[in-house]
Parts: sequence; C-alpha cells; structure tokens
Amino acid sequence: DIVMTQSPDSLAVSLGERAAINCKSSQSVLDSSNNKNNLAWYQQKPGQPPKLLIYWASTRESGVPDRFSGSGSGTDFTLTISSLQAEDVAVYYCHQYYSSPFTFGPGTKVDIK
Amino acid sequence: QVQLVQSGAEVKKPGASVKVSCKASGYTFMKHSISWVRQAPGQGLEWMGWTNADNTNTNYAQKLQDRVTVTTDTSTNTAYMELRSLRSDDTAVYYCARVPDSSSWNYFDYWGQGTLVSVSS
Repeated sequence: DIVMTQSPDSLAVSLGERAAINCKSSQSVLDSSNNKNNLAWYQQKPGQPPKLLIYWASTRESGVPDRFSGSGSGTDFTLTISSLQAEDVAVYYCHQYYSSPFTFGPGTKVDIK
Repeated sequence: QVQLVQSGAEVKKPGASVKVSCKASGYTFMKHSISWVRQAPGQGLEWMGWTNADNTNTNYAQKLQDRVTVTTDTSTNTAYMELRSLRSDDTAVYYCARVPDSSSWNYFDYWGQGTLVSVSS
C-alpha cells in the first residue's frame, strides 16, 4: 500500500498570510503513461463531507478560489493557500489514486492565529 | 446540480450487517463510478471500495473485502454499500463519492452527506 504522510499536523496562520501543507507518498504517484501525478487535495469542515480542491496535483477544481494551489511531482506535494481567509479553517487531506488501495494522508488542521 | 443523497443513521449490534444507500441525481449515472469512503470519529479518511455504474467491475480494500459489497441499481440511480459482521471499530461516518469518469483510478469530485453507522452492544 502507498502510505501518505502530511506535515505539519496542524498550523495556525494569520488572516491574509500564506499557509503551506506538505504531503509525501511512500512511492511515486506519477503515471508515466500520461505524465500526470495521481494526487488530489480535499478540504473538510466540521460536520461536512470532504470537498475536492485540487486534482492531478495542480489542477484546481471549478469554483475553487484561486488562492488555493497545488504543486509537486513524484512523491512530494504541497497545497498552498496564498492568503488565508476565515472560511479556510478546516482539515486538509491529500489522496493518492495511483494504486489500489487508494489512500489518504492523515490530515492537516488549519486554524487562524 | 449533482447530488448524492445517502440514507439515514443506523445503530447496529456487533455481528449484524448494514446497508447504506446513495441516490444520485443531476448527472448521467452510467457515466460515473462510485467509491465508498469511511471516517471513524475524529479520524482520517479510509477508502473501502469502488464499483462502476453497471456493476461489471468492483475493487475493494483488502482489509475489508471479505465483509463489504458495493453495488448499484441503475433503474433507480442508487449505489449501495453493505458491510457484514460489524464490529465496534466499524463505527464511522460512511460516504459515497462520485468518480469523474467510469474508471477506478481517479479522484472523487462529489460526495454524499455521510451516514453515521454506530456499532454497539
């Protein structure tokens, strides 16, 4: 199984400041047949289901604010919130869909400082 | 708009079975697969299994494959997840999630609201 790790476990950022979450996979999730990284990011607020933010490591889902961006390739990925807003307080999960069983990172909790 | 509406909360005793439904609307059901993901209280997300819309192909997490079955009813655009031989550590919120195409190897673009299954004697 591909093990996903995230860092930090939690972070507190001032409103308007940048937040960065790292995700690492135990093996590459890059599909060499199409040069795409099979990695997604989700946001989950309390009592709600996860919401898709980013797929193919860096493609923003329709309707997601452009302050959210994804980067990285192979085994190392980053979700960046360029200017944190109050509504961004949530837990963020990375997810690999390269190989079954599809696995998620443990989550990173983002709060306002 | 795409909607996945799940059945209500369940309380079960250890050893029992539960079947959660997920009714899809707002899109062509046959063009998208469905996965099931669970989340124990205060914990992270665990993928359970996947089916394509016409039930011709399924894929399960090995740790659950002896106890879980995912199916669909194309006449009602509904997906189902059945979990048998329930244990206390199966207590979780269970989500259905749509895959953006008919494959298994893909992300999840829409999620149901979740169904809490509580297992207790």
